[in-house]
Amino acid sequence: DAGITQSPRHKVTETGTPVTLRCHQTENHRYMYWYRQDPGHGLRLIHYSYGVKDTDKGEVSDGYSVSRSKTEDFLLTLESATSSQTSVYFCAITGGKADTQYFGPGTRLTVL
Amino acid sequence: GESVGLHLPTLSVQEGDNSIINCAYSNSASDYFIWYKQESGKGPQFIIDIRSNMDKRQGQRVTVLLNKTVKHLSLQIAATQPGDSAVYFCAEILGGGGNKLTFGTGTQLKVEL
Repeated sequence: DAGITQSPRHKVTETGTPVTLRCHQTENHRYMYWYRQDPGHGLRLIHYSYGVKDTDKGEVSDGYSVSRSKTEDFLLTLESATSSQTSVYFCAITGGKADTQYFGPGTRLTVL
Repeated sequence: GESVGLHLPTLSVQEGDNSIINCAYSNSASDYFIWYKQESGKGPQFIIDIRSNMDKRQGQRVTVLLNKTVKHLSLQIAATQPGDSAVYFCAEILGGGGNKLTFGTGTQLKVEL
């Protein structure tokens, strides 16, 4: 998985609780991304980062925030989880702006 | 809106046959395309890519063809093996320095013994 780890790999939580997912890379890549994957929708971009402290929204950013205080870590936070955020979350990295993105193993999140 | 889609949701092939997975894209400004393979419970895995200044690119047992005239992309897998069973996605990046991938919903490839 191209030096990318995600934690936790599985999480079950209750509606209204905060959740933070972590993506860690050992490739020193500049760009990092968070996607969610749902049946019938494919992969959809939530947020991305183009450097430390530099982030931007994707197409489904509502209800999510991100932070990147170090090159190697990109955190995704659900401030108050809802059942609609039950999904599989993937982190991706790339070294160049228009280069191939490499994906982590994913985190399966269930919000009850 | 712009979209990347796949013609068939499921493709079944016999082991040893060649597989062809198709993808249509609608944004003529896209200049970089990637095929990913995703096995159950895993993240998407890069297979092969192609830039818009090419119409064909070959890898190990895989070939990607790009037809910009009809905005069509295909992935050909030679001598399909049981380990090729997975969901295959095409993705595109817009030209002009963009870095956001747009994915299709995927095609499930099933290899029958």
